[in-house]
Amino acid sequence: QVQLQESGPGLEKPSQTLSLTCTVSGGSINSGGYYWSWIRQLPGKGLEWIGFIYYSGSTYYNPSLESRITISLDTSKNQFSLQLSSVTAADSAVYYCVGGATWLQLLAYWGQGTLVTVSS
Amino acid sequence: DIVLTQTPLSLPVTLGQPASISCRSSQSLVHSDGNTYLSWFQQRPGQPPRLLIYQISNRFSGVPDRFSGSGAGTDFTLKISRVEADDVGVYYCMQATQFPVFGGGTKVEIK
Repeated sequence: QVQLQESGPGLEKPSQTLSLTCTVSGGSINSGGYYWSWIRQLPGKGLEWIGFIYYSGSTYYNPSLESRITISLDTSKNQFSLQLSSVTAADSAVYYCVGGATWLQLLAYWGQGTLVTVSS
Repeated sequence: DIVLTQTPLSLPVTLGQPASISCRSSQSLVHSDGNTYLSWFQQRPGQPPRLLIYQISNRFSGVPDRFSGSGAGTDFTLKISRVEADDVGVYYCMQATQFPVFGGGTKVEIK
């Protein structure tokens, strides 16, 4: 079964670029058909989909965040990454990386999540 | 943009009794390909969400058959036939007919 693990700094300064990495095990990140997503959960709040990258490298971002997001694949390391620029305190959240083999099961496999706090 | 409204916000349930959560969409979730991309997730305290149901009514691998999904168009329901202590948590619906959006969540707790 596919397993995912997020990594990255737990603390980021305002206006900086947040960079998170997700390491995938139990399967190849460029296996046909897989979608690799980032989801975030603000403290005590609900879930917000940030965007995804398809195994082929094409991306689709949440329109409300699109100008600040880059999601990329590193097939040599079996990882995918999120970069979120110009962060503010409002970006403090638990960030999850998630995988799915089809659009029907888009968010099937979840990482444990990583807490990111934006503060000076 | 599609908005998903879940009711109730909080659902106290007696162990062994059924529970039902509603998810209403601001637009039809039937995609042009004929599929309806409506899923349900369970988030236990301190845990990441877990996929329970996809495409309205299909249970994901390992999900007990106590969980069932139904509905069509704009109105959907998640039912737990007999609530167990392990079912405590927040339940979210999500649509992926357009860019993915989650409902606000329903907190299930034991009376």
